[in-house]
Amino acid sequence: GDSVTQMEGPVTLSEEAFLTINCTYTATGYPSLFWYVQYPGEGLQLLLKATKADDKGSNKGFEATYRKETTSFHLEKGSVQVSDSAVYFCALDPYGNNRLAFGKGNQVVVIP
Amino acid sequence: GAGVSQTPSNKVTEKGKYVELRCDPISGHTALYWYRQSLGQGPEFLIYFQGTGAADDSGLPNDRFFAVRPEGSVSTLKIQRTERGDSAVYLCASSLTDRGEQYFGPGTRLTVT
Repeated sequence: GDSVTQMEGPVTLSEEAFLTINCTYTATGYPSLFWYVQYPGEGLQLLLKATKADDKGSNKGFEATYRKETTSFHLEKGSVQVSDSAVYFCALDPYGNNRLAFGKGNQVVVIP
Repeated sequence: GAGVSQTPSNKVTEKGKYVELRCDPISGHTALYWYRQSLGQGPEFLIYFQGTGAADDSGLPNDRFFAVRPEGSVSTLKIQRTERGDSAVYLCASSLTDRGEQYFGPGTRLTVT
């Protein structure tokens, strides 16, 4: 079925370091792709999205490009801050009906 | 304005009992979604309402799970004969339309002992 796979394990990095979180997807059609973020003690929030191939979603310094040829939607940020510490989830909407399928999430810890 | 709220925030129940989890969506949002998040996993879709009707309930794991939204606003997720495997965080989300951004509530943590 339609699904997303995120890289294993938490990510720990120093402030101002470059962040990449890998996400690959499996879908029969042309899904919309999303990154959601969950800050400590808060609910899930939409971080960015892309609805078609080669689209780039961006927000708060984060970017992700919809790559159909590699079925990927990797999240990147050039210089992380302590406030970026959170859990990040990749998700897809395979049928355009807002029924989201999420990956397992990655805990990101940014150390001052 | 107020976001999506869920009550209770925590619920501990014994195996075999019945529980109800409540979701108050953002006012005016016509679409409402329930997800379940088990430990170490991402949220898993359960059911989606458009107005009062369940537009897609294909994610409900079995017939012990049921959800209602009688007036097109508040929704209740009902679980009968709870099992230890039902322990999870139950998330509710709402969106202005069935294509709009989903806004998530803080979740209800259900523990079945």
